[in-house]
Amino acid sequence: AQSVTQPDIHITVSEGASLELRCNYSYGATPYLFWYVQSPGQGLQLLLKYFSGDTLVQGIKGFEAEFKRSQSSFNLRKPSVHWSDAAEYFCAVGAGYGNKLVFGAGTILRVKS
Amino acid sequence: DTGVSQDPRHKITKRGQNVTFRCDPISEHNRLYWYRQTLGQGPEFLTYFQNEAQLEKSRLLSDRFSAERPKGSFSTLEIQRTEQGDSAMYLCASSLGRVGEKLFFGSGTQLSVL
Repeated sequence: AQSVTQPDIHITVSEGASLELRCNYSYGATPYLFWYVQSPGQGLQLLLKYFSGDTLVQGIKGFEAEFKRSQSSFNLRKPSVHWSDAAEYFCAVGAGYGNKLVFGAGTILRVKS
Repeated sequence: DTGVSQDPRHKITKRGQNVTFRCDPISEHNRLYWYRQTLGQGPEFLTYFQNEAQLEKSRLLSDRFSAERPKGSFSTLEIQRTEQGDSAMYLCASSLGRVGEKLFFGSGTQLSVL
C-alpha cells in the first residue's frame, strides 16, 4: 500500500533562513507527488507537484522540491523563509486509478523573527 | 468565487444524532473526493465519485457513513448515529480527473460530537 512519511512534526526556522522539509514515500510504480500547505481556517493549497520529467520542480511562493527515486524522497525547500510561510505542510502521493491522494501526517513550520 | 464550497463550516452535535454535510465542487470537475482529517494527522481518503458514480470507498467509511452525488454536481456526506470518534474536519476536493491532476480542496466542515 502507498504511504508517506514526514519525519518532522515541527520545525522552527528564523525568518530569512533556508528551509528543507523532508518527505519519504512508498509506492510501487512511478509516483505522482505533491506538496500542499494548510493555514488555519484555510483549505489545502497546492505548492507544487511532480508528474514526470525534470526531477527539480518549481512551485508557488518560491518553493521547490526535488524528486529522488533512489531515496524515495521528495523534499521541499525554500532558500529564504518569510513569516507568512508559517503553516502546516503536507506531502502526498497520488495513488491508483482514482488519483486519490495519500497524505503524510504533516510538518508544522514556525517562523521566528 | 469558483472554488470548492463546503457547508456548514462548523457543526456541533450530540452523540447519536445524524449530521449531513454538503460540498459544491468546481463546476466543470467530474471527480469529487471526501477526506477526513483529525488533529495532528494528514487528510485520510474516505471516498470518491466520478460524476454521479461512487467508485471507491475506504475501509474508514463505516456503514454509518453514506455519500451521494445525485446529479454529478454537489455531494452530501451523511453520518448516522454519530460517535465522539467521528469528531474531525471533513474535507471535500474536486478535480478534472486527468492522470496526475491536482485536487482542489474546500475549507472543510469541522464536526464536534459531544
